[in-house]
Amino acid sequence: ETGVTQTPRHLVMGMTNKKSLKCEQHLGHNAMYWYKQSAKKPLELMFVYSLEERVENNSVPSRFSPECPNSSHLFLHLHTLQPEDSALYLCASSQDTGKPSYEQYFGPGTRLTVT
Amino acid sequence: GQNIDQPTEMTATEGAIVQINCTYQTSGFNGLFWYQQHAGEAPTFLSYNVLDGLEEKGRFSSFLSRSKGYSYLLLKELQMKDSASYLCAVLDSNYQLIWGAGTKLIIKP
Repeated sequence: ETGVTQTPRHLVMGMTNKKSLKCEQHLGHNAMYWYKQSAKKPLELMFVYSLEERVENNSVPSRFSPECPNSSHLFLHLHTLQPEDSALYLCASSQDTGKPSYEQYFGPGTRLTVT
Repeated sequence: GQNIDQPTEMTATEGAIVQINCTYQTSGFNGLFWYQQHAGEAPTFLSYNVLDGLEEKGRFSSFLSRSKGYSYLLLKELQMKDSASYLCAVLDSNYQLIWGAGTKLIIKP
């Protein structure tokens, strides 16, 4: 496996379900990100981890809970979601944060539908 | 507030040239990125500009004017595979990426 992988690619869940999204990067990067992408809207940064420590949380509802057990893996735990949470959830990694020209590498995303 | 503006959708003909504009108003500036995203796929890096001027990379070129808060992505010799969304993003003074909503480019034969 190379690059950034995400599983599952598609997920349909009810509002009372609990599920988790998984992201894995094989690039030796130190920073990982969760983004939400809704149709015709800018990418919304949800969480940033640098060296396994959360460095940014952009006021995301508590029904989204991230976990970064090591620098290669990132999870997004989902609980009691709302229909408006339906979107494409993208994971990304970069060599570091806080530096110019740091290119982010994205995974293919998980298409989440909340019913 | 911080804002990135780019057209929602553009249409161009195979073999032609198209210019996708991006204007920005951000708290500080540490560079501007262009990413390409095919439908259902991950965004992929195209270019990074931090100094004024034009940078050419094959069929794609990116231009930046910091004084005008303006950039464009120029695509030459368009191919059908160039049909995708093109995302403009600016790195602000806190090294946070501010994203535009993307421009969907449709290439017609």
